[in-house]
Amino acid sequence: KAGVTQTPRYLIKTRGQQVTLSCSPISGHRSVSWYQQTPGQGLQFLFEYFSETQRNKGNFPGRFSGRQFSNSRSEMNVSTLELGDSALYLCASSYSGGFTPQHFGDGTRLSIL
Amino acid sequence: GIQVEQSPPDLILQEGANSTLRCNFSDSVNNLQWFHQNPWGQLINLFYIPSGTKQNGRLSATTVATERYSLLYISSSQTTDSGVYFCAGTNYGGSQGNLIFGKGTKLSVKP
Repeated sequence: KAGVTQTPRYLIKTRGQQVTLSCSPISGHRSVSWYQQTPGQGLQFLFEYFSETQRNKGNFPGRFSGRQFSNSRSEMNVSTLELGDSALYLCASSYSGGFTPQHFGDGTRLSIL
Repeated sequence: GIQVEQSPPDLILQEGANSTLRCNFSDSVNNLQWFHQNPWGQLINLFYIPSGTKQNGRLSATTVATERYSLLYISSSQTTDSGVYFCAGTNYGGSQGNLIFGKGTKLSVKP
């Protein structure tokens, strides 16, 4: 069974630009969660999608948004990039979100210049 | 929301040694999980363990939900065990899809 696939693996952008990251969950998984990992703040929850609906959202500004498609693939978008957005962005999939283990992709490392 | 405290923050072991990592929660949690992040950044799910004890090879985990803590045991450590170990859970009764992570235990296993 294929794991969680995130693309791209690395990305370099400049301040003010926007970026879209993609996540394909494990086949059959319907929940996709996104996390940001930085040295200072650690792993922080961004949002979760289940059956194309945002089910929960973390404490991030509105510049961070996402969506989920009918095949459960998810994208997250960050607009008006800031230097502080430099981070490893991790996507996790699970069968239902709750009471099932989450499995992570390899992440997208985003660098803002 | 819940607070997750992990100890120790850093651990250096000689290959072959055993270790115990601890995770304390400020309140009742659901979906308690342990992860290993290797030096390349990959985050691997080790255990989904809301309560009880599980074993997988040289690793085992125990969660005592009533006392709000979980332990991860690593026996006969190997250099490939190096990395950061995280525990995470969700607020009891809250949305289940958002894991709250501890700051991790950084483990270095020396040959």
